[in-house]
Amino acid sequence: DGGITQSPKYLFRKEGQNVTLSCEQNLNHDAMYWYRQDPGQGLRLIYYSQIVNDFQKGDIAEGYSVSREKKESFPLTVTSAQKNPTAFYLCASSIGWGTAYEQYFGPGTRLTVT
Amino acid sequence: AQTVTQSQPEMSVQEAETVTLSCTYDTSESDYYLFWYKQPPSRQMILVIRQEAYKQQNATENRFSVNFQKAAKSFSLKISDSQLGDAAMYFCAYRSAGSGKTSYDKVIFGPGTSLSVIP
Repeated sequence: DGGITQSPKYLFRKEGQNVTLSCEQNLNHDAMYWYRQDPGQGLRLIYYSQIVNDFQKGDIAEGYSVSREKKESFPLTVTSAQKNPTAFYLCASSIGWGTAYEQYFGPGTRLTVT
Repeated sequence: AQTVTQSQPEMSVQEAETVTLSCTYDTSESDYYLFWYKQPPSRQMILVIRQEAYKQQNATENRFSVNFQKAAKSFSLKISDSQLGDAAMYFCAYRSAGSGKTSYDKVIFGPGTSLSVIP
């Protein structure tokens, strides 16, 4: 079955540690996205990538980094510079560029930093 | 910059009744796409319905339909014959149609409306 996988579902880290969230898709989509969702709020864009080896900052990129070495993979690293990293993180992908095609979302990773 | 507003943080509906969720947006673009996504307690985001701005006809998907008013920049979602499984957060989203590979393919989400369905 085609889809997007995110692992792990729950992640716990100590303050000051970097942590990498995995996102893999087998939909052959060019575009991939990372969003952050805080309680009672909508989705805020962290980073997005249109094609391999290219990515752009979203609205809240500070304290985060990404890579896009393969079409299928778009890992997100939450660095120690991110002041409030505890949140729910959603990865998404999409076919087409500026099109009516929707985004497909992974199941999300809940990150807790203490 | 584009913005999406959902003025109803919470809504409730009796099972089998109809409910309408509101969404307004602000843009200077003429070509764009609008979406409603559902996020149930599992937190898996699922597309409910989409609307192309150039189409005057309102989109429908089974029990779900939209009222798209382009001039008013309004995009409300109507759920008919509400079911218990409709209980979820609903997000309205805006996507620019772009003008080529240099455009910023940004999808902007509203803050969401939490829908409860009363048995």
